[in-house]
Amino acid sequence: AQRVTQPEKLLSVFKGAPVELKCNYSYSGSPELFWYVQYSRQRLQLLLRHISRESIKGFTADLNKGETSFHLKKPFAQEEDSAMYYCALSYHSGGSNYKLTFGKGTLLTVNP
Amino acid sequence: DTEVTQTPKHLVMGMTNKKSLKCEQHMGHRAMYWYKQKAKKPPELMFVYSYEKLSINESVPSRFSPECPNSSLLNLHLHALQPEDSALYLCASSQGGTGPYEQYFGPGTRLTVT
Repeated sequence: AQRVTQPEKLLSVFKGAPVELKCNYSYSGSPELFWYVQYSRQRLQLLLRHISRESIKGFTADLNKGETSFHLKKPFAQEEDSAMYYCALSYHSGGSNYKLTFGKGTLLTVNP
Repeated sequence: DTEVTQTPKHLVMGMTNKKSLKCEQHMGHRAMYWYKQKAKKPPELMFVYSYEKLSINESVPSRFSPECPNSSLLNLHLHALQPEDSALYLCASSQGGTGPYEQYFGPGTRLTVT
C-alpha cells in the first residue's frame, strides 16, 4: 500500500542553520512526489515537485529511489521558513484516477 | 487568474441546517477536489471530479453532497452535519484531468457545526 512517512512531527533550528525535513514513501509504482508548505493562516501551497528539480525559496529535494526517500533541504534556514511542511505522493488509484496522499507533516520552527 | 477561491471563509451551522460551500478556479483545470482538514492534520481526500464527472468518492457520508456545475465551479452541499464534521474544507484543482499533476489549493472554508 502507498504511504508517506514524515518521522519528525516537530523540528526546531536556529536562523542560518541547515535544515532537513525527512520524507520516506512506500509505493510499488513510479512515484510522483511533492512538498507542500502551509504558512500560518495561509493556504496550502506547492513548494517543490521532484521532476522539476527546481530550487524554490532555497529549498531542494532529491528523490532517492533506493532509499525511497524525498528529503527536503535548505542550507541556511530563515525565520520566514517557519511553517508546516507536508510531503505528498501522487499515485495511480485505478482507471484514469490519481490520488494525492500526504504525510502527517513536520512543523518547522526557525528561531532567531 | 491563477488562484482557487473559496466562499465563505467561515461558516457556522446547526445540525439541522442546509448550507453550501463554493469553489471556483479559472486556470482551465479539468480536475477539482474536496478535502477535509482537521487541526494539525494533513488534508484527507473526500471527492474528485474529472471533466465535471465524479470520479472518486472516498466513502464520504451522504450528508456531504458534491456538485460540479461546470469546469470552473465546484460546490459541496451540507445537510444534517454532526459536530465532528467541524473542520477546514479545502478545494483544489489540477490540470488535464486526474493525472499525477500538482494540485493548487484554495484558502479553505472553516466550518463549525453546533
